[in-house]
Amino acid sequence: GENVEQHPSTLSVQEGDSAVIKCTYSDSASNYFPWYKQELGKRPQLIIDIRSNVGEKKDQRIAVTLNKTAKHFSLHITETQPEDSAVYFCAATGGGADGLTFGKGTHLIIQP
Amino acid sequence: NAGVMQNPRHLVRRRGQEARLRCSPMKGHSHVYWYRQLPEEGLKFMVYLQKENIIDESGMPKERFSAEFPKEGPSILRIQQVVRGDSAAYFCASSPSGARSGELFFGEGSRLTVL
Repeated sequence: GENVEQHPSTLSVQEGDSAVIKCTYSDSASNYFPWYKQELGKRPQLIIDIRSNVGEKKDQRIAVTLNKTAKHFSLHITETQPEDSAVYFCAATGGGADGLTFGKGTHLIIQP
Repeated sequence: NAGVMQNPRHLVRRRGQEARLRCSPMKGHSHVYWYRQLPEEGLKFMVYLQKENIIDESGMPKERFSAEFPKEGPSILRIQQVVRGDSAAYFCASSPSGARSGELFFGEGSRLTVL
């Protein structure tokens, strides 16, 4: 099955700086890579996703890059703001089961 | 259009009791997924169901755990003879056409505490 590794587990950045979270996956048949944001005690919510036929996707301050050869993808948040503080999860869908396999999450802390 | 509804939001059980968690997907969604989240950990896939069918239960323990999504009514995750290690947040998510097609919409979760 699919295995998704996510780093770092905790990331602290100054407000206004950029944050980068990286994930690797194991199943070369994976073709869909979403990122979810989960605030404390809340539900995970999709913030951006990318498919395997695209190398990069951007939505305002958030961008995701995908390297299929290396089997890794990254989330980039620019000009970070206090409301960006949350836990971020990467995920991948593989060629087998149709469920998403999630990374263990990155706790992003934005320092004022 | 109401989102994914889960109940109860909080459930306390003693060891050996049964826990039943319910999930009503978004209107028009026929794909339901259950995930378990332990403190400081990610979302661990348990089971994927469509109406009246279990599509993939590879993430669900073979004993004590079962899930269903009947033709009428919510999806139910059932845990029999609960143990302390079952304490976790259980999230349900729904999709109109499967996880590979796009966004999973999550409910607010059911937090199970086993005493």
